[in-house]
Amino acid sequence: SAVISQKPSRDICQRGTSLTIQCQVDSQVTMMFWYRQQPGQSLTLIATANQGSEATYESGFVIDKFPISRPNLTFSTLTVSNMSPEDSSIYLCSVGQGGDYTFGSGTRLTVV
Amino acid sequence: EDQVTQSPEALRLQEGESSSLNCSYTVSGLRGLFWYRQDPGKGPEFLFTLYSAGEEKEKERLKATLTKKESFLHITAPKPEDSATYLCAVQAMDSSYKLIFGSGTRLLVRP
Repeated sequence: SAVISQKPSRDICQRGTSLTIQCQVDSQVTMMFWYRQQPGQSLTLIATANQGSEATYESGFVIDKFPISRPNLTFSTLTVSNMSPEDSSIYLCSVGQGGDYTFGSGTRLTVV
Repeated sequence: EDQVTQSPEALRLQEGESSSLNCSYTVSGLRGLFWYRQDPGKGPEFLFTLYSAGEEKEKERLKATLTKKESFLHITAPKPEDSATYLCAVQAMDSSYKLIFGSGTRLLVRP
């Protein structure tokens, strides 16, 4: 299974600011996924990030709010822009290889 | 619309008391069904992938089974360290490869 390093592990941010979350994988992967897990809830897919193409966003998520970069096959970033308290969640990246989908440890974001 | 429903929402067991968690799904062609364990403050930990009805997989005290409409995660003689939230997800037979998650079952095993 791929090993994922996700940074930061947690942050407390002021409303109106932006936070960029990084996801580094120890092997080359085609698809990377970004999920949100709101307090006490399950995981909801934000977008799929393929290297060399624009990210594909799920209904309810837009690029202006959650811009994603995927510069190579081992790295991706998710930015949470113009944050409000409603953005307080855990954000997770995930990669899939051969039917095994691995998750990072998550970034716990609190917006005050 | 693809959908995953897990039950019960929460389950309390005594150590050694076996039970099952349910995951019902509707999907336009199943590519795979996934089970994860999630501990508080951590990302989901992969347990199993099931691909076709009748398939079964085991890992220590856990056994996952699959039918055309649902999956069960059987926990045999659980221990307190099995306490966690168990998540079920499906992947449809389309080009997205995304996982659609259920709301999870919070399991507490008391000593």
